[in-house]
Amino acid sequence: AQTVTQSQPEMSVQEAETVTLSCTYDTSESDYYLFWYKQPPSRQMILVIRQEAYKQQNATENRFSVNFQKAAKSFSLKISDSQLGDAAMYFCAYSGYGQNFVFGPGTRLSVLP
Amino acid sequence: DGGITQSPKYLFRKEGQNVTLSCEQNLNHDAMYWYRQDPGQGLRLIYYSQIVNDFQKGDIAEGYSVSREKKESFPLTVTSAQKNPTAFYLCASSSNRAQDTDTQYFGPGTRLTVL
Repeated sequence: AQTVTQSQPEMSVQEAETVTLSCTYDTSESDYYLFWYKQPPSRQMILVIRQEAYKQQNATENRFSVNFQKAAKSFSLKISDSQLGDAAMYFCAYSGYGQNFVFGPGTRLSVLP
Repeated sequence: DGGITQSPKYLFRKEGQNVTLSCEQNLNHDAMYWYRQDPGQGLRLIYYSQIVNDFQKGDIAEGYSVSREKKESFPLTVTSAQKNPTAFYLCASSSNRAQDTDTQYFGPGTRLTVL
């Protein structure tokens, strides 16, 4: 069974600085999707970024980018120019074709003014 | 605007009572999901449905039931058999699960508290 690990339960970053959240996963599949979701205090889950495993190019969405290392099964999220509104729980998720999502335990990010 | 709605936002239940959580989507998505989230933890899958009138158990289905009579609606009933129902419940949908995994979009959630 696939598993997703987020080894950093909590992280903090200074406003305007850059922070990287780690995610590793275990799978025997070659094609799959990876996601980062953000859960602010409102608790609504918001999609941050999506990566398709067959694409070598790392996904980017404005200040959010990923470092996808397929061989290492690593999928880290980089947040540049951190803002106070970035403070949230961040969940990494894996999904194989025709399979259900597997979520990691989350990383709580604090942004310090 | 297209999206997923969940109601109520907060729900209180006495022990021994069944309660039903509502989830509606107007995204024309085929698949819908119910997750449970406990404090400090990730999401666990309760039930999912790929098409109308069909649904499957997830990892923690015991004490829960669902129906999928309409494409737009996927209500979750928390029965008295659920031993520890106090949690945050999230509903999600995706556009085409059968052929390709696609992105799941989430509703705002329902906080259930058993008194």
